Amino acid sequence: QSVLTQPPSASGTPGQRVTISCSGSSSNIGSKTVNWYQQLPGTAPKVLMYNNNQRPSGVPDRFSGSKSGTSASLAISGLQSEDEADYYCAALDDSLNGWVFGGGTKLTVL
Amino acid sequence: EVQLVESGGGLVQPGGSLRLSCAASGLTFSSYWMNWVRQAPGKGLEWVANIKEDGSEKNYADSVKGRFTISRDNAKNSLYLQMNSLRVEDTAVYYCTQLRRAWGQGTLVTVSS
Repeated sequence: QSVLTQPPSASGTPGQRVTISCSGSSSNIGSKTVNWYQQLPGTAPKVLMYNNNQRPSGVPDRFSGSKSGTSASLAISGLQSEDEADYYCAALDDSLNGWVFGGGTKLTVL
Repeated sequence: EVQLVESGGGLVQPGGSLRLSCAASGLTFSSYWMNWVRQAPGKGLEWVANIKEDGSEKNYADSVKGRFTISRDNAKNSLYLQMNSLRVEDTAVYYCTQLRRAWGQGTLVTVSS
């Protein structure tokens, strides 16, 4: 069981807006920034968002991140077929003295 | 462009040892905390260990504490993971990562008799 809670699956049609949630506690999301990772089938994870809402160069602005209290969200607008992937959230955890991950959300583009 | 390239994975028997390496380029390696994260077949991501920029602080997941040792050589821009007393449940792809910047392609460790 993961420390951060994500829905196991999400779906949308091309062009739609989809949101993936990530719930934690005061020792992680509540006091630390959140990162998001995209893992395309058969490949290594890639940094999609860091420090809650910062996009690395090359990540389209269709992707956005936000945080409120002990929860965070990743929003994908203008959904495209190539967005079909697993998405993970992560944050440092003060009580564990290390990083914690969500269980991952499998996004399907219908 | 940041590149992280892992090596050293393979098949090992339970109780055996393995040393993973990660060669970094495209970033000022000595300025960043570095991490190892693993992914068991068909499972999610699990943080394994991290190490401070100068190697003075190291942290481990409970599942590997006392068996794995993380280290780095800033002169060689390299990160290491010494894995001892390996168990079947350590079977996974191991990634070298600067969690806000980049991930390597991973190296597969299989623990089986």
